[in-house]
Amino acid sequence: DGGITQSPKYLFRKEGQNVTLSCEQNLNHDAMYWYRQDPGQGLRLIYYSQIVNDFQKGDIAEGYSVSREKKESFPLTVTSAQKNPTAFYLCASSVKKDSYEQYFGPGTRLTVT
Amino acid sequence: GNSVTQMEGPVTLSEEAFLTINCTYTATGYPSLFWYVQYPGEGLQLLLKATKADDKGSNKGFEATYRKETTSFHLEKGSVQVSDSAVYFCALITGANNLFFGTGTRLTVIP
Repeated sequence: DGGITQSPKYLFRKEGQNVTLSCEQNLNHDAMYWYRQDPGQGLRLIYYSQIVNDFQKGDIAEGYSVSREKKESFPLTVTSAQKNPTAFYLCASSVKKDSYEQYFGPGTRLTVT
Repeated sequence: GNSVTQMEGPVTLSEEAFLTINCTYTATGYPSLFWYVQYPGEGLQLLLKATKADDKGSNKGFEATYRKETTSFHLEKGSVQVSDSAVYFCALITGANNLFFGTGTRLTVIP
């Protein structure tokens, strides 16, 4: 079945450690996105990528980094510089950047203590 | 700029009740409008969409009409079920911009 996978579902880290969240899609989509979801704040865009080896900052990119070495993969690294990293992280993809229908993965809940 | 305002939740309804979740927007240009649904522990799924004024999006018994004159896209369902319990997000996109989401409305349907 085609879709987006994120792993792991739950992730725990100590403060000061970098952590990388996985996102893989087999939909052959060009564009991929990372969102952060906090209670009462909806989704906020962290980074997006329109094509391999290219990515742009979203609204809240500080403290995060990404790579897009393969079309199907868009990992997100939460660095120690992110001041409040505990959140639910959602990855999405779309056929192309301005396609309105985004397909979402199941999410990763990151807890940093 | 672009923004989406949803009615605050949580909303609690009895099974078979009528549902309305209000959504209004502000946008530059001519946006496309969406409702996404997030079931417990899962990612978001596109529920329905409307790409121009007066369009009605519908899916799984849910409907929403794109009202340009009132800049609204209210979600409705005539008879909710327990399985409809979820968080509902209104969203818009304009041109080559990114998706803008509302803050979400949590719906709980009780038997």
